Amino acid sequence: DAGVIQSPRHEVTEMGQEVTLRCKPISGHNSLFWYRQTMMRGLELLIYFNNNVPIDDSGMPEDRFSAKMPNASFSTLKIQPSEPRDSAVYFCASRPGTASNQPQHFGDGTRLSIL
Amino acid sequence: AQSVTQLGSHVSVSEGALVLLRCNYSSSVPPYLFWYVQYPNQGLQLLLKYTSAATLVKGINGFEAEFKKSETSFHLTKPSAHMSDAAEYFCAVTANNAGNMLTFGGGTRLMVKP
Repeated sequence: DAGVIQSPRHEVTEMGQEVTLRCKPISGHNSLFWYRQTMMRGLELLIYFNNNVPIDDSGMPEDRFSAKMPNASFSTLKIQPSEPRDSAVYFCASRPGTASNQPQHFGDGTRLSIL
Repeated sequence: AQSVTQLGSHVSVSEGALVLLRCNYSSSVPPYLFWYVQYPNQGLQLLLKYTSAATLVKGINGFEAEFKKSETSFHLTKPSAHMSDAAEYFCAVTANNAGNMLTFGGGTRLMVKP
């Protein structure tokens, strides 16, 4: 079975550029999460979708960050304009259903470096 | 609100020795608890989960964890460490009142010496 697929795996770009991270959740999963992982702050939840609808975006750091889920099999996280402090590993995770006792399944992440 | 504390950001054991990674949680309602493992340059993989059934939970790769409500703990153990167990381990908590938020601990990096 294919797991959560993220692209690109690595992204290096200059400050001020637009960055788009992509995620394909596991088929049949209707909850999707975006996380950011840094040494200083650990794993932080950025946004959570259920049935393609954003439910909780309180973790999105600022207006430069936006996320969309146009359909059940695709989501994007966009940063515009990017800044060096956005450098981190960004993970997408999906989950079958909305029950809290269901585990989340993670992709391999996108390592983002903003120069 | 829920919170998780993982005692020890780094743990070092010898190959064949007992592995014990500590996790204490805080939750005002019955929690659901998870252990994840992260290998270098990979995402988090589920090791095991506690969801209010048996308090001793067995997971993959020989790991197990015991839910102790009186101690608010969910420590991860493995009787005999293998070199391939070297990774970072995350404990996480959620609950039915958590709005689907999964709160992670800071992680424990396990090193296995030959």
